[in-house]
Amino acid sequence: EIVLTQSPGTLSLSPGERATLSCRASQSVSSSSLAWYQQKPGQAPRLLIYGASSRATGIPDRFSGSGSGTDFTLTISRLEPEDFAVYHCQQYGSSPRTFGQGTKVEIK
Amino acid sequence: EVQLAESGGGLVQPGGSLRLSCVASGFTFSSYTMHWVRQAPGKGLEYVSAISSNGGSTFYANSVKGRFTVSRDNSKNTVYLQVGSLRAEDMAMFYCGSGNGGFLEYWGQGTLVAVSS
Repeated sequence: EIVLTQSPGTLSLSPGERATLSCRASQSVSSSSLAWYQQKPGQAPRLLIYGASSRATGIPDRFSGSGSGTDFTLTISRLEPEDFAVYHCQQYGSSPRTFGQGTKVEIK
Repeated sequence: EVQLAESGGGLVQPGGSLRLSCVASGFTFSSYTMHWVRQAPGKGLEYVSAISSNGGSTFYANSVKGRFTVSRDNSKNTVYLQVGSLRAEDMAMFYCGSGNGGFLEYWGQGTLVAVSS
């Protein structure tokens, strides 16, 4: 089973700042099969990125994904007030599909 | 507009069972793999189960294998998750999702399963 480790656990930033979130896999993720989701309190997760770098429908271009192999990054270029949330990564290249433990982006 | 609506959650005693349902609309249900993901209170996401578009292939996490059963009725645009032999650690919000790539493109709002005596 591929274990995904997200860092940092919590990121404290101000609106307008750049956020860089990491997702590291215990083994190589095949075909860059990695997705990122955003989850706000009391809501279901929402798909942001799939295939490591492809934005889902309707996702603003301030969200970008990069990486391959075992190291992946989600970057939010300039934080908007609505971007403060928990972010989860998921690998779907190997069975069982697994999630990271999440990174919380909070207002500083 | 894609919509997924879960139901069937509730309070159940340890060892009990429930049938969760997820009704889909706004897309061609019979063409999509459906997934179940759960989230224990204050915890991360856990991938639980999946069923292929025609129901011919299923997946279960080791933590639920032998206790949970996924099925679908394409005539009713509905996917089910029968959850049984429930334990305290199964208490979670259960989300259904759709997506053919192995990731969940759309998510429902979830249904809460509480396990307590």
